[in-house]
Parts: sequence; C-alpha cells; structure tokens
Amino acid sequence: NAGVMQNPRHLVRRRGQEARLRCSPMKGHSHVYWYRQLPEEGLKFMVYLQKENIIDESGMPKERFSAEFPKEGPSILRIQQVVRGDSAAYFCASSPFGTTEAFFGQGTRLTVV
Amino acid sequence: EDQVTQSPEALRLQEGESSSLNCSYTVSGLRGLFWYRQDPGKGPEFLFTLYSAGEEKEKERLKATLTKKESFLHITAPKPEDSATYLCGGTGTASKLTFGTGTRLQVTL
Repeated sequence: NAGVMQNPRHLVRRRGQEARLRCSPMKGHSHVYWYRQLPEEGLKFMVYLQKENIIDESGMPKERFSAEFPKEGPSILRIQQVVRGDSAAYFCASSPFGTTEAFFGQGTRLTVV
Repeated sequence: EDQVTQSPEALRLQEGESSSLNCSYTVSGLRGLFWYRQDPGKGPEFLFTLYSAGEEKEKERLKATLTKKESFLHITAPKPEDSATYLCGGTGTASKLTFGTGTRLQVTL
C-alpha cells in the first residue's frame, strides 16, 4: 500500500520560471492538503482540495500560485514566475475524509536560483 | 481563525528524563487533534488522533492526552532515537488542518 508520493523530490528553477509540484494521494484518499515549510519553521497551510474542488485556499498567495486536484491524476501545485522567496519545502498530505488524520509525503524541496 | 500554539519551542532531555510537550488550541468546532513526528529532511509521520476531551492514546514511550483547551504529549524515559520535531495540529468546522510551529526535542545520552 503505497504512501503519499510527491515528485520531484528536489526541484531547481531559475527566477521567472514555472515550478510544478505533483502529489499522488494514498489509494482511496480524496482529500489533499498542501503545506509550505521554511527551515526551522512549522507547516504553513496553503490549500485544501477535494477531487475537482478547492475547499479552502486561504493560505495561498493571491498571485502566481494555483492548485488543482483533477478527477484523474495527481494533485498539482503550480508556481508561476518563481522568485527566490519561493524557495522552501512543499509538503502534500492526503486523508480519506476531511476530519481524519492526514498522511504526508516526503516533500518537494524547491530551490530558486 | 483557528490557532495552535506549541511550547516549548525546543527541549533538551537526558536519556530517561521524562517530560511533556504542550499544545494549546483554539479550533472552532474541534473534530480532531493530531500529533506528528518530523525528522530532518523528511515529511511528518502520523502519531495520534484525539477526538474528545479526556481521551488518551499511547504508543511505546509516548502518550497523548486532550482537554478542552490543550493537548499534551508525554514522553516517558526517552531515548536518543526520540529526538525529532513534534508537531500538533487540529481540524474543526473550517475543515483545514492547522499546525503549530512544533517542539524540537533533543535527547542526549
């Protein structure tokens, strides 16, 4: 039973490029969360999605960031025109229901150069 | 807005020295309080879910408890391998899972 899969594990982008982070939830899980983490800091909520729906995007920056969780395929976190301040670890978590524990992937470490 | 506050920020214990980590929460309509362990460079690993005040759960040297305002993670006779960051999070009416900033635990010989 595979866990939450995130890819790539490491991503290097030049300023102004686009970054696409993928998250495949655990089998049977229809709820996905995305979090951002800076070194020595906690997990900052970004967005909560169900299949084909954005439930809560209150933690997403208004510009350049978007997320989707299509009916088929992984959830995608997209960052357009990346800047150095976007460098961080991005974690995805999935759960079968919104009120139960969520299981995390190993994260994608984005470095903007 | 939901808030979760953890204390202390960092804790250093000697092997065998028991202690507790605190998680204070204001989560509207709390539906679940969660504890995770995170090792450097890795994703958080699920430990416990608590649903109602008075509930307790145990796993090896760890025991989590819940009141109406706080949760505690008790660590009994810790070992160096228990060194990690422990994260507390809650979900409620708003459905999103909100985390505290964590407690960095170091257990020395």
